[in-house]
Amino acid sequence: GAGVSQTPSNKVTEKGKYVELRCDPISGHTALYWYRQSLGQGPEFLIYFQGTGAADDSGLPNDRFFAVRPEGSVSTLKIQRTERGDSAVYLCASSLGGGHSSFFFGQGTRLTVV
Amino acid sequence: RKEVEQDPGPFNVPEGATVAFNCTYSNSASQSFFWYRQDCRKEPKLLMSVYSSGNEDGRFTAQLNRASQYISLLIRDSKLSDSATYLCVADRGSTLGRLYFGRGTQLTVWP
Repeated sequence: GAGVSQTPSNKVTEKGKYVELRCDPISGHTALYWYRQSLGQGPEFLIYFQGTGAADDSGLPNDRFFAVRPEGSVSTLKIQRTERGDSAVYLCASSLGGGHSSFFFGQGTRLTVV
Repeated sequence: RKEVEQDPGPFNVPEGATVAFNCTYSNSASQSFFWYRQDCRKEPKLLMSVYSSGNEDGRFTAQLNRASQYISLLIRDSKLSDSATYLCVADRGSTLGRLYFGRGTQLTVWP
């Protein structure tokens, strides 16, 4: 596709459940990022992949959060034992080689934990 | 202290007004700076990069003051379509990897 694609666009889940959020980056972009945006705040960094490996996962809030990118393209953000505080918009972005000039966000997945 | 601090506003201005947004960053090693625009319930999109010499793109002018660790965005001749949240962004001091976003400044331009 032409842009970064994220699915689902909306996800409502019950507290304690497991969720997976998918990101399909722009074709050819080697760098992929996950950010989380809570209401009234700017996006906060979660994790950055360069190719298949996580180059920086220092933004993951705790061990309930995990992300993979097994083939260096599509990435999945996994959240275990969801809590109400996990409710936010999860944004994925990709860039060509990690540079900032070609950094594009997807439309995000709005996660609501009830 | 957050890496990037900005006044959340809101700023409410009439069409044609000039409005300025400011932000500060705490990491003196930051090298790259940006302003992003975010419309309601949409993803952030790059508005412009910010260079030390200052740069202009039509009605928009961005300035960087490294000594004060201060970034500004000036919008001249505001249009209704400028209504959005403007996010100030700094990198971590390397060319790759994470960006630090401010919480955004909300602008509403009224007719």
